[in-house]
Amino acid sequence: DIQLTQSPSTLSASVGDRVTITCRASRSILRWLVWYQQKPGRAPNLLIYKASILERGVPSRFSGSGSGTEFTLTISSLQPDDSATYHCQHYYNNAITFGHGTRLEI
Amino acid sequence: VQLVESGGGLVKPGGSLRLSCAASGFSFSDYYMSWIRQAPGKGLEWVASISHGGSNIYYADSVEGRFTISRDNANNSLTLEMASLTAEDTAVYYCARYLETYSSSSVSKNWGQGTLVTVSS
Repeated sequence: DIQLTQSPSTLSASVGDRVTITCRASRSILRWLVWYQQKPGRAPNLLIYKASILERGVPSRFSGSGSGTEFTLTISSLQPDDSATYHCQHYYNNAITFGHGTRLEI
Repeated sequence: VQLVESGGGLVKPGGSLRLSCAASGFSFSDYYMSWIRQAPGKGLEWVASISHGGSNIYYADSVEGRFTISRDNANNSLTLEMASLTAEDTAVYYCARYLETYSSSSVSKNWGQGTLVTVSS
């Protein structure tokens, strides 16, 4: 099974900062990677799929990059509303795995 | 798009439970669906997926042989039958709809609010 390792597990940053969250796969998943944002008590919200495609309605300060085994989610200028947990997920050959999540505190 | 889960609750170890997800606001029969769970304070875990017509079904190793996913396209509903439950199955269970019609690409665009399953004696 493919394992996903997210880092850091927690991150504290300030409004206006640029932050990057990394997701590493145990073997190549090409570009089959998704990023979700989840706020406490809420269901996850789709941010980015296929590593870098921004879902409709997601602010442009969010971006994704990477391929193979290393991927990043970048928030270019943090806003207070970005305080959440961010999950990466791979989808390859109908096997789905999530990372353990990165908690972002503003 | 609306997904509403129901059927969660407290069940004893070894017991069974049936979760339902009522879908509305989209053409249910055009989309793969999945169940994804989240143990308290933990990350997300994919449980099972089912193709738009119901012919292709996939399970996580952790639930294979114990859980059964099914769908009723005539009634726009998704079901998860859970048996031989253990404490490790305690979680909020979400049903989710994939992003694209007829696609098996497991990008979960729409999620329900979740239903809590607690396995405890």
